Amino acid sequence: KAGVTQTPRYLIKTRGQQVTLSCSPISGHRSVSWYQQTPGQGLQFLFEYFSETQRNKGNFPGRFSGRQFSNSRSEMNVSTLELGDSALYLCASSGGTGRTEAFFGQGTRLTVV
Amino acid sequence: AQSVSQHNHHVILSEAASLELGCNYSYGGTVNLFWYVQYPGQHLQLLLKYFSGDPLVKGIKGFEAEFIKSKFSFNLRKPSVQWSDTAEYFCAVSLSGGSYIPTFGRGTSLIVHP
Repeated sequence: KAGVTQTPRYLIKTRGQQVTLSCSPISGHRSVSWYQQTPGQGLQFLFEYFSETQRNKGNFPGRFSGRQFSNSRSEMNVSTLELGDSALYLCASSGGTGRTEAFFGQGTRLTVV
Repeated sequence: AQSVSQHNHHVILSEAASLELGCNYSYGGTVNLFWYVQYPGQHLQLLLKYFSGDPLVKGIKGFEAEFIKSKFSFNLRKPSVQWSDTAEYFCAVSLSGGSYIPTFGRGTSLIVHP
């Protein structure tokens, strides 16, 4: 079956702008999580959506938000971009219940200039 | 909150050398444990996972890991590395019966010289 698809793969934005990233999970998966990956910091958890509801949230400012649609597709929005938001943003999907691993997309590389 | 520590940030080996990457976590409850690998330019892939049972887990590409509950550790091993093992390796822990969201370590960059 198809894997996790993230679009776009690359983005260049100017400081102060806002950006929306998209993630299509594996068919049948109801949980979508978002991570920020930067060199030396590893993967920092942003938030998780399960059945259109935010179920878990990491320690990121309110400029980072997300949503999930009825077909489990998810979007992440970052407003008022800062230079420090430059990172690889990863989406992971899973069944969301029981013992399960997360399956990752290839990520969206965001560069803020 | 649980945390995951990977002791080696950068490891450089020659082909055929043995590999052991350390991973320790802070949570004392029942956990699920994972090792993920990220090859250059590719997405994160699951190497192996532990949910319960035999603490010695075998994964893909000859990797294995041992869960030692008393040491809160889940170290990754491979007896003989290859140049194609050059990648970044991440240890992750999730709470069994909890939110299932894995917490990741900072990763270990492995470079294998041919």
